[in-house]
Amino acid sequence: AQSVTQLGSHVSVSEGALVLLRCNYSSSVPPYLFWYVQYPNQGLQLLLKYTSAATLVKGINGFEAEFKKSETSFHLTKPSAHMSDAAEYFCAVIWRDSGGYQKVTFGTGTKLQVIP
Amino acid sequence: NAGVTQTPKFRVLKTGQSMTLLCAQDMNHEYMYWYRQDPGMGLRLIHYSVGEGTTAKGEVPDGYNVSRLKKQNFLLGLESAAPSQTSVYFCASVRRVGEQFFGPGTRLTVL
Repeated sequence: AQSVTQLGSHVSVSEGALVLLRCNYSSSVPPYLFWYVQYPNQGLQLLLKYTSAATLVKGINGFEAEFKKSETSFHLTKPSAHMSDAAEYFCAVIWRDSGGYQKVTFGTGTKLQVIP
Repeated sequence: NAGVTQTPKFRVLKTGQSMTLLCAQDMNHEYMYWYRQDPGMGLRLIHYSVGEGTTAKGEVPDGYNVSRLKKQNFLLGLESAAPSQTSVYFCASVRRVGEQFFGPGTRLTVL
């Protein structure tokens, strides 16, 4: 099984400051990596995905993430935080089990607080 | 095009009662998944299905059963609910390899 580690269960930033949410993965093969966002009382929505094309991936709402194989990382960034960015963010990796079936492993999530 | 829908949105059960959660998708996706979300634990896979008539166990399958008689529906059953099954349940569907489309969730409380 693959694993995903998100450092920091809670991150606070000031409005207008840089957002950096960390994600490290374990994978013996090139992974498919995703970032999802969850607003209160809602399901998860896709922010962006890496599927072995460009290493810098741009997503919705001004977020982007860079795939770094040497560091096994896929950190999420946004240059300037908005109040509407307050949510919980999940990193996820897709992999195939011994039966060849697609599975997804999610990180434990990082709650982002934006301070006015 | 409704995407992924879940029924019901909320439910309160007493210990020992049974219930079925329904997930429906209209995107003709092959794969469907049931997760539970608990504070500080992210999403954990309960069961999944790779096509009509097939199901398989995920990470935390005990106490749950599933069925996928029709491609568009994936049912999650609790035969004898326990307080440890208090959680928010999410269904998701996906094409072969790609993003998962999530339902809005079912908030279940077992007293």
